Amino acid sequence: GDSVTQTEGQVALSEEDFLTIHCNYSASGYPALFWYVQYPGEGPQFLFRASRDKEKGSSRGFEATYNKETTSFHLQKASVQESDSAVYYCALGDYGGSGNKLIFGTGTLLSVKP
Amino acid sequence: GALVYQYPRRTICKSGTSMRMECQAVGFQATSVAWYRQSPQKTFELIALSTVNSAIKYEQNFTQEKFPISHPNLSFSSMTVLNAYLEDRGLYLCGAIGQGWDSDYTFGSGTRLLVI
Repeated sequence: GDSVTQTEGQVALSEEDFLTIHCNYSASGYPALFWYVQYPGEGPQFLFRASRDKEKGSSRGFEATYNKETTSFHLQKASVQESDSAVYYCALGDYGGSGNKLIFGTGTLLSVKP
Repeated sequence: GALVYQYPRRTICKSGTSMRMECQAVGFQATSVAWYRQSPQKTFELIALSTVNSAIKYEQNFTQEKFPISHPNLSFSSMTVLNAYLEDRGLYLCGAIGQGWDSDYTFGSGTRLLVI
């Protein structure tokens, strides 16, 4: 079945560092790709999506580009802030005849020191 | 904006008893509702997907007999955990999505279930 892999379980950075969180997917079709962010005590919040090859999604300084060739959707931010500390989830949208199914990766805990 | 409310936020039940949780969509019509369980390790398990005018689809390892779901209209869904045991503990999240090709899931803050 479809799946999402996030290789980093945890990332520790200092403010103004560059962030990359890796996301690779496996899907039989042509899925939409998403990034969600979860803060303590809350549900995951939609960050942005990309629906086709080479499309860039972005929000709040975060961005990722859909790469069908490498089956990747890596999250990047040029300069992180302490307030960016949270768990980030890459997800794959299997939308179609079987319903709107969202499949999450295992998440990456980002900790940013001031 | 689109919001999803879940209640209760936290509940404790005795082993072998049942517990019902609710999900309310505000500001949009929830044509699909997905129920997830988030483990203490923070991974998400999809329990079932409910789409209006379609049968509710349960994922492997989850059954209607254990997790009956109701989705009577475009703003409300509920799920019950029957005969809860220790392995059922976790954060139960409701995600709702509206109509339109560019709609995205909005999640509630979850119901945290503790079983004693």
